[in-house]
Amino acid sequence: DAGITQSPRHKVTETGTPVTLRCHQTENHRYMYWYRQDPGHGLRLIHYSYGVKDTDKGEVSDGYSVSRSKTEDFLLTLESATSSQTSVYFCAISDSGGGYNEQFFGPGTRLTVL
Amino acid sequence: AQTVTQSQPEMSVQEAETVTLSCTYDTSESDYYLFWYKQPPSRQMILVIRQEAYKQQNATENRFSVNFQKAAKSFSLKISDSQLGDAAMYFCAYRSGGSNFGNEKLTFGTGTRLTIIP
Repeated sequence: DAGITQSPRHKVTETGTPVTLRCHQTENHRYMYWYRQDPGHGLRLIHYSYGVKDTDKGEVSDGYSVSRSKTEDFLLTLESATSSQTSVYFCAISDSGGGYNEQFFGPGTRLTVL
Repeated sequence: AQTVTQSQPEMSVQEAETVTLSCTYDTSESDYYLFWYKQPPSRQMILVIRQEAYKQQNATENRFSVNFQKAAKSFSLKISDSQLGDAAMYFCAYRSGGSNFGNEKLTFGTGTRLTIIP
């Protein structure tokens, strides 16, 4: 299994509070991704990173920011959490960006915003 | 933008039988890749099988095979000899081909929940 961990695994927070989710990898893969999973929507890309300090927006980036100061860590921040951000969040990594290369997924973080 | 459609929210199959999950996609590109991921109750996303668009031959991985119809933009997953451990949510996903920046992203369908009946 690819070495990907996410923390926390579960979190309950209140509307308006900041939240940071962490993804940590031990594979030295260049690319890292944050997805959210919601019923009826599958997985949707929030942000991704193609190197240290290099990030770009995905399909549903509003309300989220990311940072990557080290190869192994990719942080997702909700500056002011809203109930619509209640979801399961997955981190993924890949060695190369495109083509046939597999994206490996972390175990997910269940976030509930009350 | 590419879209991926899975029209069967739920499917069920008797253990040891064969089941086919449907996936269609919309794209104007000729070079791309298609994937099927499995998500069991543990929530872990697991790659089941993948297909390159420029390959005519359908991909096969043990009991899992695909029927790739490029002209119809269809990419169905066939599971033979279904087992209880196959019970999961299955997602179809699309990725653009080539090495252009931005081609890294996966676009997922909404998933099909597969139940195995003992």
